[in-house]
Order: sequence, then C-alpha cells, then structure tokens
Amino acid sequence: AQSVTQLGSHVSVSEGALVLLRCNYSSSVPPYLFWYVQYPNQGLQLLLKYTSAATLVKGINGFEAEFKKSETSFHLTKPSAHMRDAAEYFCAVSDSDSSYKLIFGSGTRLLVRP
Amino acid sequence: EAGVAQSPRYKIIEKRQSVAFWCNPISGHATLYWYQQILGQGPKLLIQFQNNGVVDDSQLPKDRFSAERLKGVDSTLKIQPAKLEDSAVYLCASSLDRFTDTQYFGPGTRLTVL
Repeated sequence: AQSVTQLGSHVSVSEGALVLLRCNYSSSVPPYLFWYVQYPNQGLQLLLKYTSAATLVKGINGFEAEFKKSETSFHLTKPSAHMRDAAEYFCAVSDSDSSYKLIFGSGTRLLVRP
Repeated sequence: EAGVAQSPRYKIIEKRQSVAFWCNPISGHATLYWYQQILGQGPKLLIQFQNNGVVDDSQLPKDRFSAERLKGVDSTLKIQPAKLEDSAVYLCASSLDRFTDTQYFGPGTRLTVL
C-alpha cells in the first residue's frame, strides 16, 4: 500500500538558513508526488508536484524538491528561509494502484527563528 | 477566480448531535473531495465525487457520515450522530478531473465535539 513518511514533526531554522524537509514514500508503481503548505486556519496550498517529468521540480515561494527513485525520497528545500515560510508542510503521494487518491504524510511544522 | 468555499468555518456541538458542512467548489471542477484532518495528522480522504456520482467512499464511516453532491456542483457532508473522535478539520477540495490534476483546497471547517 502507498504511504508517506515525513521525518521530523517539527523543524526549526534561523531566518536566512537552508530549509530541508524530508519525505520518503512507498509505492510499487511510478508515483506522483506533491508538497502542500498549510498556514494557520487555512486550507492546503500546492507548493509543487512531480508527475514523471524532470526530477528536480521548482515550486512557488522559492521551494524546490528532487525526486530520487533509488532513495524513494522527495525532500523539499529552500536556500534561504523567511519568516513567512513558517507553516505546516505536507508531502503526499498518489499512483494508479490507489486510483490516484492522495495519501498524505503526517506533516512537518516549520518554525523560523528571527 | 474564486476558490473553494466552505461554511461554517467553526462548529461546536455536543456528542450525539448532528452537524452539516457545505462546500462550493471552483466553477467547472468536476471532481470534489471531502477530507478529515485530525489534529497532528495529514488529511484523510473520506469521499470523492465525479460530477454527482460517488467515485470512492471506502473510508467514509457510513453508519454516521453521509454526503451528497446534487446537480454536480456544491456538496454537503453530514454527521449524525457525532462522536468525540469526530473532532477534526473537514476540508473540501476540487479538481478539474480525478487523476493527476491539482486539487484546490478550501479553508476547512473546524468541528469540536464536546
């Protein structure tokens, strides 16, 4: 069955530092992979998605993620954190075996220190 | 374009009472989803509609939850009777089609069952 593991329920960085949020997935067929961001009291907003094209995917707000099949990973990075990046981030997977149903990880809360 | 609309934003009820949530998807989106997001977890799909037909309701607790999408536009999710464990945020999302297209999420309804 498909699953997503997000390592670290909380990640804290200083403003201007590198952001790295980890995501590992399980899928027996080629997956589609997504990163969503959720600000307090708001719904989820798509940051970026991988759909079998380029392995390095660029998203909004300066975020990017790299699909690594050998590592079954899809980690999210941003070179320089900003205070406005503080939010909860969810990784999700979908594939043909699950009828393309989105399976979400448990989320990582990003804290940005001034 | 207008996003996914949901109401109410917050609801507090006592256990065994009933409650209903409303969702209006983005205009022209054929697919509508209801998710349950329990505190500290990622969203979990409850039900998926394609136009006014149910595509997937495998994770909907049908003894107490029901949903409809009359006329293939807006949708209502109902819980009757509510249990304490139903306390969660209920998110509605919509997409153009049911496969790889991006899902757009509404702000959610936060339900507290006392």
